Amino acid sequence: EILLTQSPGTLSLSPGERATLSCRATQSVSSTYLAWYQQKPGQAPRLLIYGASNRATGIPDRFSGSASGTDFSLTISRLEVEDFAVYFCQQYGTSFYTFGQGTKLEIK
Amino acid sequence: QVQLQESGPGLVEPSGTLSLICSVSGASISVDNWWSWVRQPPGKGLEWIGEIHHSDRTNYSPSLKSRATISVDKSRNQFSLKLTSMTAADTAIYYCADSIGRYSLDYWGQGALVTVSS
Repeated sequence: EILLTQSPGTLSLSPGERATLSCRATQSVSSTYLAWYQQKPGQAPRLLIYGASNRATGIPDRFSGSASGTDFSLTISRLEVEDFAVYFCQQYGTSFYTFGQGTKLEIK
Repeated sequence: QVQLQESGPGLVEPSGTLSLICSVSGASISVDNWWSWVRQPPGKGLEWIGEIHHSDRTNYSPSLKSRATISVDKSRNQFSLKLTSMTAADTAIYYCADSIGRYSLDYWGQGALVTVSS
């Protein structure tokens, strides 16, 4: 089973700054199968990125995803107040999904 | 745009069976999508339970496969989850979700809190 480890656990930044969130897989994961979600308190997760680098419908272009081997990154180029939330990465392999444990992005 | 809505009891007794329904609107459940259940214990991360296609093909998480059953009701445009032998560790918000074929969960219901307690 492929495990996903997200880092850091908590990231404290200010609006306007750049955020880079990491997701590392224990085995090779095709970029096709890697997604990112945003979750705000009391809400369901929202799909941000699929296929490692493709923005979902309606997602602002300040959100971007990239891949390098077993390492995946979500970058928010210029943080806005509404971006402070928890972010999860997810992979789909051998007919089931697994998630990373999440990164909490908080206002500094 | 597809909308999903979970329904079911908010309280289940220990050792009992959870039954949840996800009602789909804005799309037919018979399209070539996969329909999933995901859960999240309060304050914790996400755990995928399983998925179903309208053709009745299913996939399950290895850790829950022995206790979970997902089925589809095309006439009602719904799919459902049954989870047996419930314990306190199964207390969670249960979400239904839709995958449109990009190996991601594209649309989510608002979630239903299920508490296991006597």
